[in-house]
This record gives sequence, C-alpha cells and structure tokens, in this order.
Amino acid sequence: EAGVTQFPSHSVIEKGQTVTLRCDPISGHDNLYWYRRVMGKEIKFLLHFVKESKQDESGMPNNRFLAERTGGTYSTLKVQPAELEDSGVYFCASSPSPGQGAAVFLADEQFFGPGTRLLVL
Amino acid sequence: SQQGEEDPQALSIQEGENATMNCSYKTSINNLQWYRQNSGRGLVHLILIRSNEREKHSGRLRVTLDTSKKSSSLLITASRAADTASYFCATDAYGNNRLAFGKGNQVVVIP
Repeated sequence: EAGVTQFPSHSVIEKGQTVTLRCDPISGHDNLYWYRRVMGKEIKFLLHFVKESKQDESGMPNNRFLAERTGGTYSTLKVQPAELEDSGVYFCASSPSPGQGAAVFLADEQFFGPGTRLLVL
Repeated sequence: SQQGEEDPQALSIQEGENATMNCSYKTSINNLQWYRQNSGRGLVHLILIRSNEREKHSGRLRVTLDTSKKSSSLLITASRAADTASYFCATDAYGNNRLAFGKGNQVVVIP
C-alpha cells in the first residue's frame, strides 16, 4: 500500500511569489491534515479535511494560505504571496474514518508524508 | 489548548543501552502518539496509546501513560544506531483530530 506522498519535496521561492504544495493521501482515507513546522518551533496543525469538506481550519495562519481538496482525493495548499516567515516544513497526513455508526468520532493514527521543505528568500 | 511537550533534552547513548524520554500535556486527551523523524525524512508513527491504557509495547518500544499526571514516557530498549532520530509525542483531545506536538527529543545512538 502506498503511503502519503507530497510534492514537491523542496521548494525555494522569493518573497511575494506563489507556491502550491500537493498531498496525495493514502487511498481510501477520508481524513486529510496539513501541519507545518517553522524553524525552531513545534509542528503545528493547520487544517483538517473530511473528504472534500474543511472540518477544521483553525490552524491556518492567515488568508495568504488556501487549502483545497476537490473531489476528496488529493489536496493542495497554496501560499500567495509567500512571506519569509512561511519557510519551514509542511507535512500532510491522512487517516481513515471510524466505522459507520460510531457514536464518537475518534481520532486514529495519522500517517504522515515526507513533508515539503519550503524556503522563502 | 493542549500540547504535548517533551522533556527538552538531547540524549546521546551507546548502542545497546536504553533510551527514555518523557512527554507532558495539559488537557484531557483521547490518545497520545509517538512519532520518529529521521534526519530529512517524514514523521513515522511509532505507537499510539489510548487514554484508558496505561502501558503498551511494540517491539523494542515501551510507552506508558499516566493521565493523572498528564504525562507519558517512551522507552527504547537495546538501542541501535538506526534509532538515531528526533522523537515527538503528539496528543489529541476528545472529538478533536488536531494533533498537538511537542518540540521533540533528539536521540543519538553511538555505534
């Protein structure tokens, strides 16, 4: 079974430019998450998709960040315009949904991709 | 908001020795997970322990969870050079899929 994949692995752009990161979750996983780790800080949650819907986007830092998951398969995270403080590693993760009829939506193991290393100059 | 926080220590041990690292958090959780990140690689899930569990084993890994103290420990027994990595704990709260990560513990295993 293929794991979570992310593209590109590295991106170097200039301040003010636009960058789009892509994440392909594990096939069949309804849940898709974006996290990022900026220099010297903890890995921080950005947002959570359930299929194509944004379940929780409370971690998105500002409106320069736009995440989409059209069709409920892969997801993109666009940063426009990029700023210096956006540099870091952007991780994507996916997880399956609990069985049908579950009364409580329990979090489960999240499978992470290798990350995209973004450097904004 | 809840947050996993490892003891901010870097461990340097000899191959064959055991490595222990701790993690504390602040609010009620559904589960606590430990991840490993090798240099330049992604996060690899190691083990998940639920709030109603106290101890869990997986191979050379042993995780404990003390919900009364809001803390967890990860023990790696008989360490190998390949265990050299950063180790993160992550927590999530009931009904909340957001993982809150700690700063990570750097472990170096010397062959």
